[in-house]
Amino acid sequence: GESVGLHLPTLSVQEGDNSIINCAYSNSASDYFIWYKQESGKGPQFIIDIRSNMDKRQGQRVTVLLNKTVKHLSLQIAATQPGDSAVYFCAEGLHNNDMRFGAGTRLTVKP
Amino acid sequence: KAGVTQTPRYLIKTRGQQVTLSCSPISGHRSVSWYQQTPGQGLQFLFEYFSETQRNKGNFPGRFSGRQFSNSRSEMNVSTLELGDSALYLCASTLLGGTTTDTQYFGPGTRLTVL
Repeated sequence: GESVGLHLPTLSVQEGDNSIINCAYSNSASDYFIWYKQESGKGPQFIIDIRSNMDKRQGQRVTVLLNKTVKHLSLQIAATQPGDSAVYFCAEGLHNNDMRFGAGTRLTVKP
Repeated sequence: KAGVTQTPRYLIKTRGQQVTLSCSPISGHRSVSWYQQTPGQGLQFLFEYFSETQRNKGNFPGRFSGRQFSNSRSEMNVSTLELGDSALYLCASTLLGGTTTDTQYFGPGTRLTVL
């Protein structure tokens, strides 16, 4: 999984499989968490967010899990498609002006 | 609605020069934030503008500055460029921004290379 400041880890999955991308965050006081997707040559795109009063939130084909005990966040992508290939990174903080962003995980989907 | 636009997309400068980057937010959005993205470091917050005023600032030297115009368009300026300023500079547009958790919409970024 990723952690702020380290080299970019990679995850390679087969098309149709489920993907799990992990993120270890640093601040136990963080209240708001976001997952972003960044494709080559594009800016980050919001995928899903979750607040600290929840431990799970689902979107379309994506699920975010939050474990505050171990300060761990994960993004699950169901039935991964080639268009899901991108860098995924998490952000933690209190609000927009107080977010810390991870370096990201590169997801590659093999057809 | 048109998305966030940033110009130019690519820029090559030499050390000691200065550079100005531009960002046009989504229509109706009043907050513009700037970030620096470098490999392995993630996004780092530079500053946020709202209603033509700098409302918040990250931990960057004074060489990094910005401004916002009455139409919410924003520019950022980096003076006396250093090699370490090479990065992707991203602009994010938000309805209100600041201490809210409004969704941030990012532009495609400006890739700055300092030689």
